[in-house]
Amino acid sequence: QSALTQPPSASGSPGQSVTISCTGTSSDIGGYNFVSWYQQHPGKAPKLMIYAVNKRPSGVPDRFSGSKSGNTASLTVSGLQAEDEADYYCSSYAGSDNFVFGNGTQVTVL
Amino acid sequence: EVYLVESGGGLVKPGGSLRVSCEVSGFGVTDVYMNWVRQAPGKGLEWVGRINSKTGGGATNYAAPVKGRFIISRDDSKNTLWLEMNSLKIEDTALYYCIKEEIGGFDPWGQGILVTVSS
Repeated sequence: QSALTQPPSASGSPGQSVTISCTGTSSDIGGYNFVSWYQQHPGKAPKLMIYAVNKRPSGVPDRFSGSKSGNTASLTVSGLQAEDEADYYCSSYAGSDNFVFGNGTQVTVL
Repeated sequence: EVYLVESGGGLVKPGGSLRVSCEVSGFGVTDVYMNWVRQAPGKGLEWVGRINSKTGGGATNYAAPVKGRFIISRDDSKNTLWLEMNSLKIEDTALYYCIKEEIGGFDPWGQGILVTVSS
């Protein structure tokens, strides 16, 4: 199972929006609505931001939104804030009790 | 309150074995799907394996790099998840997290436990 493909980096100014893509195949992202996104600050454990493509856990700001089209999922962070600067990882169920992660995107708030 | 605490990591030589544990509180370890995810130093997240809930059949599955070497199990009486790692390789060096899975999302994450494979 190959890792999902994410851009290595993304950036935006405070208040702007940034969108991160996550590309897989019909065997993972395209085949299931079990895409999730994680935020990780340096030295910290990852935190779930989006699950089931577009659902937000309680406590996650509505500035974070997820979507999916075909084999590509996306995470959009609107109204960028300094604390959004972090690494972001996507993940997808890949069938037969398997999961796969993306290689991660470093988001910089300019 | 839900929390997961990993323990048992350390330094082991290539070819050696190690068992790490994940003590769970706030839910029953047999009632949910549980996963192990690892992160090598300075690298991204990598899914390691999963054990299904009791009602889900309790089956286990593993990522290709660890299949045949790692074993996930649980102790109902201690509400604890285990990851037994055998024939360890240098590339298994990582921070290992145990996580509850729900609707395809992994949450919450513990602090992780460091496993270092080195001669």
